[in-house]
Amino acid sequence: DGGITQSPKYLFRKEGQNVTLSCEQNLNHDAMYWYRQDPGQGLRLIYYSQIVNDFQKGDIAEGYSVSREKKESFPLTVTSAQKNPTAFYLCASSAYPPGGGEQYFGPGTRLTVT
Amino acid sequence: EDKVVQSPLSLVVHEGDTVTLNCSYEVTNFRSLLWYKQEKKAPTFLFMLTSSGIEKKSGRLSSILDKKELFSILNITATQTGDSAVYLCAVEAGGGSQGNLIFGKGTKLSVKP
Repeated sequence: DGGITQSPKYLFRKEGQNVTLSCEQNLNHDAMYWYRQDPGQGLRLIYYSQIVNDFQKGDIAEGYSVSREKKESFPLTVTSAQKNPTAFYLCASSAYPPGGGEQYFGPGTRLTVT
Repeated sequence: EDKVVQSPLSLVVHEGDTVTLNCSYEVTNFRSLLWYKQEKKAPTFLFMLTSSGIEKKSGRLSSILDKKELFSILNITATQTGDSAVYLCAVEAGGGSQGNLIFGKGTKLSVKP
Protein backbone atom coordinates (compact mmCIF):
# COMPACT_ATOMS: atom_id res chain seq x y z
CA ASP A 1 0.00 0.00 0.00
CA GLY A 2 1.26 3.46 -0.86
CA GLY A 3 1.18 6.06 1.81
CA ILE A 4 2.86 8.00 4.57
CA THR A 5 3.76 6.44 7.87
CA GLN A 6 4.68 8.21 11.05
CA SER A 7 6.02 6.66 14.19
CA PRO A 8 5.47 6.44 16.99
CA LYS A 9 1.77 7.23 17.33
CA TYR A 10 2.22 8.52 20.88
CA LEU A 11 5.45 9.74 22.44
CA PHE A 12 6.18 10.83 25.97
CA ARG A 13 9.38 12.62 26.95
CA LYS A 14 10.82 14.50 29.87
CA GLU A 15 11.61 18.16 29.50
CA GLY A 16 15.17 18.78 28.33
CA GLN A 17 15.38 15.70 26.12
CA ASN A 18 15.63 15.78 22.35
CA VAL A 19 13.21 13.51 20.52
CA THR A 20 13.04 12.43 16.86
CA LEU A 21 9.79 11.78 15.03
CA SER A 22 9.86 9.51 12.03
CA CYS A 23 8.15 10.12 8.68
CA GLU A 24 8.42 7.76 5.71
CA GLN A 25 6.59 7.83 2.38
CA ASN A 26 6.52 5.39 -0.51
CA LEU A 27 4.56 7.62 -2.87
CA ASN A 28 7.71 8.71 -4.72
CA HIS A 29 6.92 12.30 -3.76
CA ASP A 30 9.65 14.92 -4.02
CA ALA A 31 8.28 17.35 -1.44
CA MET A 32 7.77 16.62 2.25
CA TYR A 33 6.52 18.79 5.10
CA TRP A 34 6.21 18.90 8.87
CA TYR A 35 3.30 20.64 10.58
CA ARG A 36 2.36 21.19 14.16
CA GLN A 37 -1.27 21.29 15.31
CA ASP A 38 -2.38 22.63 18.69
CA PRO A 39 -5.94 22.30 20.05
CA GLY A 40 -8.32 24.66 18.26
CA GLN A 41 -5.60 25.78 15.88
CA GLY A 42 -4.88 25.18 12.25
CA LEU A 43 -1.74 23.49 11.03
CA ARG A 44 1.45 25.51 11.20
CA LEU A 45 4.42 24.71 8.97
CA ILE A 46 7.66 23.80 10.75
CA TYR A 47 9.96 22.73 7.90
CA TYR A 48 9.63 21.59 4.33
CA SER A 49 11.86 19.93 1.79
CA GLN A 50 11.52 20.04 -1.97
CA ILE A 51 14.37 17.70 -2.77
CA VAL A 52 16.87 15.40 -1.10
CA ASN A 53 19.58 17.17 0.92
CA ASP A 54 17.67 20.43 0.88
CA PHE A 55 15.11 21.85 3.30
CA GLN A 56 13.65 25.21 4.27
CA LYS A 57 12.33 26.71 7.48
CA GLY A 58 8.62 27.20 7.78
CA ASP A 59 6.80 29.64 10.03
CA ILE A 60 7.74 28.07 13.37
CA ALA A 61 11.13 26.37 12.85
CA GLU A 62 12.74 27.53 16.12
CA GLY A 63 13.58 24.59 18.37
CA TYR A 64 13.23 22.02 15.58
CA SER A 65 15.64 20.42 13.13
CA VAL A 66 15.22 18.11 10.13
CA SER A 67 17.25 16.12 7.64
CA ARG A 68 16.47 14.79 4.17
CA GLU A 69 19.11 12.21 3.33
CA LYS A 70 16.69 10.01 1.40
CA LYS A 71 13.69 10.85 -0.76
CA GLU A 72 11.47 8.59 1.32
CA SER A 73 12.38 9.90 4.74
CA PHE A 74 12.07 13.26 6.51
CA PRO A 75 12.66 12.91 10.27
CA LEU A 76 11.93 15.79 12.63
CA THR A 77 13.91 16.37 15.83
CA VAL A 78 12.23 18.33 18.59
CA THR A 79 15.07 19.81 20.60
CA SER A 80 15.16 20.97 24.19
CA ALA A 81 15.18 24.54 22.84
CA GLN A 82 11.53 24.21 21.76
CA LYS A 83 9.62 25.93 24.56
CA ASN A 84 6.21 24.28 24.10
CA PRO A 85 6.82 20.95 22.38
CA THR A 86 3.61 19.19 23.46
CA ALA A 87 1.49 19.04 20.30
CA PHE A 88 0.19 16.85 17.49
CA TYR A 89 2.77 16.58 14.68
CA LEU A 90 1.74 15.83 11.11
CA CYS A 91 4.00 14.92 8.23
CA ALA A 92 2.86 15.39 4.63
CA SER A 93 4.16 14.91 1.12
CA SER A 94 3.21 16.10 -2.32
CA ALA A 95 3.97 14.97 -5.84
CA TYR A 96 5.14 18.40 -6.90
CA PRO A 97 7.48 20.77 -5.17
CA PRO A 98 5.52 23.54 -3.50
CA GLY A 99 3.58 25.11 -6.32
CA GLY A 100 1.02 22.51 -7.22
CA GLY A 101 -0.85 19.44 -6.12
CA GLU A 102 -2.46 18.46 -2.89
CA GLN A 103 -0.53 17.30 0.15
CA TYR A 104 -1.11 13.83 1.58
CA PHE A 105 -0.86 13.49 5.32
CA GLY A 106 0.44 10.79 7.63
CA PRO A 107 -1.51 9.66 10.72
CA GLY A 108 0.42 11.97 13.04
CA THR A 109 2.44 11.65 16.24
CA ARG A 110 1.12 13.03 19.50
CA LEU A 111 4.06 14.24 21.58
CA THR A 112 3.68 14.95 25.29
CA VAL A 113 6.56 16.52 27.17
CA THR A 114 6.39 16.74 30.95
CA GLU B 1 0.84 38.83 6.53
CA ASP B 2 -0.89 35.95 4.76
CA LYS B 3 -3.95 34.65 6.55
CA VAL B 4 -6.85 32.26 6.16
CA VAL B 5 -9.98 32.68 8.26
CA GLN B 6 -12.67 30.04 8.60
CA SER B 7 -16.15 30.48 9.97
CA PRO B 8 -17.91 29.37 11.97
CA LEU B 9 -15.33 27.77 14.27
CA SER B 10 -17.87 25.17 15.34
CA LEU B 11 -21.29 24.08 14.22
CA VAL B 12 -23.84 21.58 15.51
CA VAL B 13 -26.55 20.31 13.17
CA HIS B 14 -28.93 17.37 12.90
CA GLU B 15 -28.76 14.61 10.34
CA GLY B 16 -30.32 15.68 7.07
CA ASP B 17 -29.47 19.35 7.47
CA THR B 18 -27.46 21.26 4.86
CA VAL B 19 -24.42 23.18 6.05
CA THR B 20 -22.20 25.83 4.52
CA LEU B 21 -18.66 26.35 5.76
CA ASN B 22 -16.81 29.53 4.93
CA CYS B 23 -13.18 30.29 4.20
CA SER B 24 -11.81 33.76 3.44
CA TYR B 25 -8.21 34.55 2.68
CA GLU B 26 -5.64 37.28 2.20
CA VAL B 27 -2.45 35.97 0.64
CA THR B 28 0.28 37.06 -1.72
CA ASN B 29 0.28 35.36 -5.12
CA PHE B 30 -2.64 32.98 -4.67
CA ARG B 31 -2.18 29.62 -6.35
CA SER B 32 -4.95 27.39 -5.09
CA LEU B 33 -7.35 26.74 -2.22
CA LEU B 34 -7.74 23.31 -0.70
CA TRP B 35 -10.30 21.74 1.61
CA TYR B 36 -9.45 18.87 3.94
CA LYS B 37 -11.52 16.77 6.34
CA GLN B 38 -9.86 15.82 9.62
CA GLU B 39 -11.42 13.21 11.85
CA LYS B 40 -9.20 11.73 14.52
CA LYS B 41 -5.86 11.94 12.81
CA ALA B 42 -4.64 12.74 9.32
CA PRO B 43 -6.46 15.34 7.24
CA THR B 44 -7.86 13.79 4.08
CA PHE B 45 -8.04 15.75 0.88
CA LEU B 46 -11.45 16.88 -0.39
CA PHE B 47 -11.05 19.52 -3.08
CA MET B 48 -8.53 21.78 -4.74
CA LEU B 49 -9.86 24.96 -6.35
CA THR B 50 -7.92 27.22 -8.64
CA SER B 51 -10.53 28.97 -10.79
CA SER B 52 -13.38 31.21 -9.78
CA GLY B 53 -16.96 30.13 -10.26
CA ILE B 54 -16.34 26.49 -11.10
CA GLU B 55 -18.05 24.20 -8.63
CA LYS B 56 -16.31 21.02 -7.60
CA LYS B 57 -18.59 18.24 -6.46
CA SER B 58 -18.12 14.90 -4.79
CA GLY B 59 -21.27 13.16 -3.64
CA ARG B 60 -23.00 15.35 -1.07
CA LEU B 61 -20.05 17.74 -0.83
CA SER B 62 -19.42 20.66 -3.13
CA SER B 63 -17.18 23.69 -3.10
CA ILE B 64 -16.72 26.88 -5.05
CA LEU B 65 -14.14 29.64 -5.11
CA ASP B 66 -14.59 33.39 -5.59
CA LYS B 67 -11.19 34.93 -6.37
CA LYS B 68 -12.61 38.43 -6.62
CA GLU B 69 -14.10 38.40 -3.13
CA LEU B 70 -11.33 36.10 -1.80
CA PHE B 71 -13.41 33.34 -0.31
CA SER B 72 -14.58 29.81 -0.75
CA ILE B 73 -17.50 27.82 0.61
CA LEU B 74 -17.87 24.14 1.30
CA ASN B 75 -21.42 22.80 1.19
CA ILE B 76 -22.57 19.52 2.65
CA THR B 77 -26.13 18.45 1.88
CA ALA B 78 -28.17 15.81 3.72
CA THR B 79 -25.58 15.61 6.49
CA GLN B 80 -24.83 12.30 8.18
CA THR B 81 -23.16 11.54 11.52
CA GLY B 82 -20.11 10.40 9.55
CA ASP B 83 -19.65 13.97 8.36
CA SER B 84 -18.69 14.97 11.90
CA ALA B 85 -15.12 16.23 11.68
CA VAL B 86 -12.96 19.32 11.55
CA TYR B 87 -12.93 20.83 8.08
CA LEU B 88 -9.72 22.62 7.22
CA CYS B 89 -9.26 25.23 4.54
CA ALA B 90 -5.76 25.91 3.23
CA VAL B 91 -4.44 28.33 0.66
CA GLU B 92 -1.35 27.71 -1.39
CA ALA B 93 0.51 30.96 -1.92
CA GLY B 94 3.36 31.63 -4.28
CA GLY B 95 6.04 34.28 -4.18
CA GLY B 96 8.39 34.26 -1.19
CA SER B 97 6.62 31.34 0.43
CA GLN B 98 6.17 29.54 -2.82
CA GLY B 99 3.68 26.78 -2.66
CA ASN B 100 3.38 26.55 1.10
CA LEU B 101 -0.04 25.88 2.50
CA ILE B 102 -1.47 28.39 4.96
CA PHE B 103 -4.19 26.76 7.05
CA GLY B 104 -7.21 28.24 8.74
CA LYS B 105 -8.12 27.12 12.26
CA GLY B 106 -10.79 24.81 10.96
CA THR B 107 -14.54 24.43 11.45
CA LYS B 108 -15.60 21.69 13.83
CA LEU B 109 -18.82 20.15 12.53
CA SER B 110 -20.90 17.92 14.79
CA VAL B 111 -23.83 16.10 13.21
CA LYS B 112 -26.32 14.72 15.72
CA PRO B 113 -28.62 11.79 14.90
